[in-house]
Amino acid sequence: DAKTTQPPSMDCAEGRAANLPCNHSTISGNEYVYWYRQIHSQGPQYIIHGLKNNETNEMASLIITEDRKSSTLILPHATLRDTAVYYCIVRAGDDKIIFGKGTRLHILP
Amino acid sequence: GAGVSQTPSNKVTEKGKYVELRCDPISGHTALYWYRQSLGQGPEFLIYFQGTGAADDSGLPNDRFFAVRPEGSVSTLKIQRTERGDSAVYLCASSLNSLQTQYFGPGTRLLVL
Repeated sequence: DAKTTQPPSMDCAEGRAANLPCNHSTISGNEYVYWYRQIHSQGPQYIIHGLKNNETNEMASLIITEDRKSSTLILPHATLRDTAVYYCIVRAGDDKIIFGKGTRLHILP
Repeated sequence: GAGVSQTPSNKVTEKGKYVELRCDPISGHTALYWYRQSLGQGPEFLIYFQGTGAADDSGLPNDRFFAVRPEGSVSTLKIQRTERGDSAVYLCASSLNSLQTQYFGPGTRLLVL
């Protein structure tokens, strides 16, 4: 079973920041937080991952709480192309990915 | 550079037939994973290769499913005596090694009539 809990869906206005929450209260010390997204009819796309510290790349920022029990993926300026299902995953270094149902993000024009 | 590629992109077959699905990982990636995704669900793990050997095949649903990676690069997922319930998108992912980020291909959409 997936070790993460995400809201089933969210809306965000185009041009605004999209903040996607994820709870992972049973995360272990050696498990990373990964985010993928899946645009309709495509394979999952890697976005970002982190262990303890906040991370930023060209796609998004990842904010992990100090106790590591939750995290937030931030898309700073959402566009219509960001409409997708976003998956939050916890994964030990050499483990397979266990996907939950993710959050369906709708970007509103 | 080139990403993970999968062929065919779509496959329609009849119940009881045999199918093979192919995955070409990113060059130099030693770890390769197969997942299956049913409509409205997240991908589910099937099998993982490290090099030529299957390191974890715990996700294969039954003995009709088999996968090989004979030279440690291309992998083939084989399904015997297909059933309508096998209809799904079959996804392949690869990573530099088992500790690194997995990158997914576009998937093969299998429809069993």
